[in-house]
Amino acid sequence: AQKVTQAQTEISVVEKEDVTLDCVYETRDTTYYLFWYKQPPSGELVFLIRRNSFDEQNEISGRYSWNFQKSTSSFNFTITASQVVDSAVYFCALGGSNYKLTFGKGTLLTVNP
Amino acid sequence: EPEVTQTPSHQVTQMGQEVILRCVPISNHLYFYWYRQILGQKVEFLVSFYNNEISEKSEIFDDQFSVERPDGSNFTLKIRSTKLEDSAMYFCASSEWEGKETQYFGPGTRLLVL
Repeated sequence: AQKVTQAQTEISVVEKEDVTLDCVYETRDTTYYLFWYKQPPSGELVFLIRRNSFDEQNEISGRYSWNFQKSTSSFNFTITASQVVDSAVYFCALGGSNYKLTFGKGTLLTVNP
Repeated sequence: EPEVTQTPSHQVTQMGQEVILRCVPISNHLYFYWYRQILGQKVEFLVSFYNNEISEKSEIFDDQFSVERPDGSNFTLKIRSTKLEDSAMYFCASSEWEGKETQYFGPGTRLLVL
């Protein structure tokens, strides 16, 4: 069975602070895929990034960066210099050998001005 | 940029009524999905669909639920006799290839069962 744990239920920061969202996953698949989605207050799910299990190269994209550590089954997401518009629920998700995504419970990020 | 669309955005229905939620996936995508999100909770998988067949379904997807691709563009989720606990946001998603590929989500339909 697949499982995604986002231990942080809510995080509140002040604008321009850096913030890291944690994600830990469990899977028996040897090949799997990890995702981060953003859900702003308007409710839609916006795809942010996908990482394959065989690619542990970390990435920076603008203010966003990701840290994939297979040894600890973690896929953390960092926002640098946070902005009010970053306020949203962020979901980590796991895709494996079946045809579905397993989501974590989400982390509500509030960025205060 | 191509996107998944869903109609209606909101639906209110009486318990026991049938509802049909509609989705238009991204045109070159082959795999289609429905997920639901009860208010304040995580997103849960309902069903995946490929080549006019269900590929996988969750335990939530019981006999009250059905999916259909009635034409070349639409993908529908039908709930035959709605219950109060069916109140949720329903998301449609599509991916170009099988479930490991990136799934792009529609804006959702918020269903309220009274």
